[in-house]
Amino acid sequence: NAGVTQTPKFQVLKTGQSMTLQCAQDMNHEYMSWYRQDPGMGLRLIHYSVGAGITDQGEVPNGYNVSRSTTEDFPLRLLSAAPSQTSVYFCASSLLAGGREQYFGPGTRLTVT
Amino acid sequence: QQQVKQSPQSLIVQKGGIPIINCAYENTAFDYFPWYQQFPGKGPALLIAIRPDVSEKKEGRFTISFNKSAKQFSLHIMDSQPGDSATYFCAAGWGGGADGLTFGKGTHLIIQP
Repeated sequence: NAGVTQTPKFQVLKTGQSMTLQCAQDMNHEYMSWYRQDPGMGLRLIHYSVGAGITDQGEVPNGYNVSRSTTEDFPLRLLSAAPSQTSVYFCASSLLAGGREQYFGPGTRLTVT
Repeated sequence: QQQVKQSPQSLIVQKGGIPIINCAYENTAFDYFPWYQQFPGKGPALLIAIRPDVSEKKEGRFTISFNKSAKQFSLHIMDSQPGDSATYFCAAGWGGGADGLTFGKGTHLIIQP
């Protein structure tokens, strides 16, 4: 049981490039979320999903897209990377609503130059 | 509007002391209050959580105290050890919401030997 996995661990992009951060979970959780973590800012919700085919925006969604075609996978797409998107990105999943028993992946450190 | 306020930002305690981290929330719909522990380079890990129908919960050396009328909750670490040095985040969620947790900005805790 791997839990929540994320790839890649590190990524450097140039301004304007696009990329997809991968997230997968093997716990059959319906709820999945993407957060970004910046120094002194805590974790801020980007997008979330309540099941396959259903996604919605969180607190800071601009510049990011998500989709959820399966229960297991929840990729995050950066459409046109900007230096303001330099951050550490965490994917999380939970069995229940409201963030109950929410488990996080190891994170992806992204630098945009 | 910051819905969960956490203090202090940083804290240094001698080994064996009892660090206390405080959080205050605004949204009375919140009904789930977890604490997460994060070591450098790792994802946040769920430490302990409480619901508003109890005033205190203990798990090992970690205790959450909850004051519903004041809309405040706190984390106490008994007999603190250098291995407890980490960043701690409080969070809040509500069962009727699908959008996961709202996090405080974090407390960087150092336990000196």
